[in-house]
This record gives sequence, structure tokens and C-alpha cells, in this order.
Amino acid sequence: DVKVTQSSRYLVKRTGEKVFLECVQDMDHENMFWYRQDPGLGLRLIYFSYDVKMKEKGDIPEGYSVSREKKERFSLILESASTNQTSMYLCASSLLQGGFEQFFGPGTRLTVL
Amino acid sequence: TQLLEQSPQFLSIQEGENLTVYCNSSSVFSSLQWYRQEPGEGPVLLVTVVTGGEVKKLKRLTFQFGDARKDSSLHITAAQPGDTGLYLCAGFLSGGYNKLIFGAGTRLAVHP
Repeated sequence: DVKVTQSSRYLVKRTGEKVFLECVQDMDHENMFWYRQDPGLGLRLIYFSYDVKMKEKGDIPEGYSVSREKKERFSLILESASTNQTSMYLCASSLLQGGFEQFFGPGTRLTVL
Repeated sequence: TQLLEQSPQFLSIQEGENLTVYCNSSSVFSSLQWYRQEPGEGPVLLVTVVTGGEVKKLKRLTFQFGDARKDSSLHITAAQPGDTGLYLCAGFLSGGYNKLIFGAGTRLAVHP
């Protein structure tokens, strides 16, 4: 069974802290994605990666960075957390680019105080 | 403004009722997907439609892609409490834009 796991289900951090969100997939997928999900806004793409050490900005990359040192692992970094980054963060992976199924992790609900 | 507009935003119905949710855009999509997300979980793909006018059925769920590939609908027959969740449409724009665009979702509650 395909699986995408995220390091934490719930996280509470303080303003200004550096935050790491980890995502691991066991499907040998090339492509990995980070989204944030907010009520009324749907899922918005933060960053994605089509290969190891490769990253591309999504629609809302400001305040975030990513790292992909290994194929199975894609990390999202909040360099200096702010309250407007309080959100649900979803990681996904897909086998190929284009119109193929994305497999999602369960999400990390991050609260920044 | 969302590129993909979903309606209604919320739907609360009784078990056994039929319902339709809509996903509309002024842009053309090369393909469109429907996902369902249950509380505390990530979205899970239900179907992908690719051809204009295409109709796909998944048990009591019927998905249609508009002829012009700008819109889609999801019809559920005889809804059950297990259908409760957030339904998201998502599409790839025509013309090589390679990112999946999501709508804001329709939150469905089916009461016994």
C-alpha cells in the first residue's frame, strides 16, 4: 500500500522559531509537493520537487524553503515562523508529472503563537 | 479569486438524498480530478477525467467533465453517512502549466 508520512500531526511553535516539517514517501516517486490548506482557500502549492536536490517555487513560497537530499524525503522549512503561517500543511507525491494521481500524507496542523 | 470555483461551499443532507456539486472555471483544463478528504486525513483521489464530455461512474458517484473542459460535476445518488467529507476538484491547465490547481472544496455532511 502506498504511503506518505509526515513527522507530526500537530505542532505548536512560537513566532520567530525555525520550524521543520518532514515528509517521507515509500513509493519511489520522483515528484513531491508541499501545500498549505486554509478554509475557503483550498490547497495552495508552496514548493515542489521533480528530482533529488531539485526544487521549484509554487504559488506561495514566501517565508518557506525546502530541502530534498534523498528521493524519499522532502522537508519544508519555516525560517522564522509567523502567526500567518498557522495552517494545515499537506505533503504529496506522484509518480510522474502532469495529470497523475497525487498521494497525500495525513497533514500537520501547525499553530504559531 | 479561485481559478476553480466550487459550489456549494457547504451541503447538509439526510441519508438517501441525491446531490450534485459543481466545479467551474473560465479556463480550459487538460484533465480534472476529484478528491475526497475525511477529517484528520489527506485528500484521496476518486477519479480523473480527461476528455470533454466524459462521464465516469464509481458506484453511487457520477463524475462529468464539461464538453469545453472548463467545468465538472459530481453527482451522488442515495447519499450515505460514509459519504461525509470535503470534496475537492483539482485540474491541470491546458498549455503546459504543470501544477495541479485546487478548488476550495465542498463540505458535505450526510445525516442518518
